[in-house]
Amino acid sequence: EVQLVESGGGLVQPEGSLRLSCAASGFSLTRYWMSWVRQAPGKELEWVANIRQDGSEKYYVDSVKGRFFISRDNARNSLYLQMYNLRGEDTAVYYCAREDTHYDSSGANKYHLDYWGQGTLVTVSS
Amino acid sequence: AIQMTQSPSSLSASVGDRVTITCRASQAIRNDLDWYQQKPGKAPKLLIYAASSLQSGVPSRFSGSGSGTDFTLTISSLQPEDFATYYCLQDYNYPRTFGQGTKVEIK
Repeated sequence: EVQLVESGGGLVQPEGSLRLSCAASGFSLTRYWMSWVRQAPGKELEWVANIRQDGSEKYYVDSVKGRFFISRDNARNSLYLQMYNLRGEDTAVYYCAREDTHYDSSGANKYHLDYWGQGTLVTVSS
Repeated sequence: AIQMTQSPSSLSASVGDRVTITCRASQAIRNDLDWYQQKPGKAPKLLIYAASSLQSGVPSRFSGSGSGTDFTLTISSLQPEDFATYYCLQDYNYPRTFGQGTKVEIK
C-alpha cells in the first residue's frame, strides 16, 4: 500500500527555519518525481515545489524561491522541504504528493499527483 | 504564471443531480489539466488527469472534458459522498497552478 507521511511541522517565529520530511512506503521513491503542495487555513491549494527522481531538476513557485529548498534521499525513501526566512503567509498545511506519469499526444511525459500524505501544519507566528 | 479560474465558487445541489464545474486557463494549456476532490480536514484526491482520463478506482459518474483554455468536470448523478471542494490544476508549465476551488454543498 502506498503511504506518504509528513512530519516536522510546528510553530515557528517569523524569519525562522523548519525542515519538513515525507516518508514514503509501499513504492520505490527512485521511480517518481515528488511534489510539495500547501494550503493556508481556509484557502485554496498552492503547488510549492517538485523534484526529479535523481534530484537533478527542481522547480519552485516564485513566492518561495531562494527561501525553500526541496531535496530527497532515495536510499531512505524520503522527501524533504527545508524552509528558511519563514513568513506569516507561509502558514499552511504542507502535503507531499507522488507524481505518476502519463503521456501526452506527442509521447512526452506528463505528471499527475496520484498519492498524497495527510499533511503537516506549519504555523509562523510570534 | 497561468491563472486558473473556476466557476462557480460554490453550488448547492441535491443527491441525484447532474453537476458541472468549469475551469478556465489564462492561456492555452492543451489538455494538461487534472481535477482533485478534497473533503474537510483531508488530503486532496485525484479524480481526473489529462483533462479526461479517469483515475483508477474513481467512480464512472465523474468525467472530465475540454482542451485549450476551457475545461469541465461533470458528476452525472451526485452522491452523498461527493459533497466536497473540487480543484483543477494545470501541469502545462511551471509553476503549476490550482484553481480557487468549487465547494459543492447539500441543497
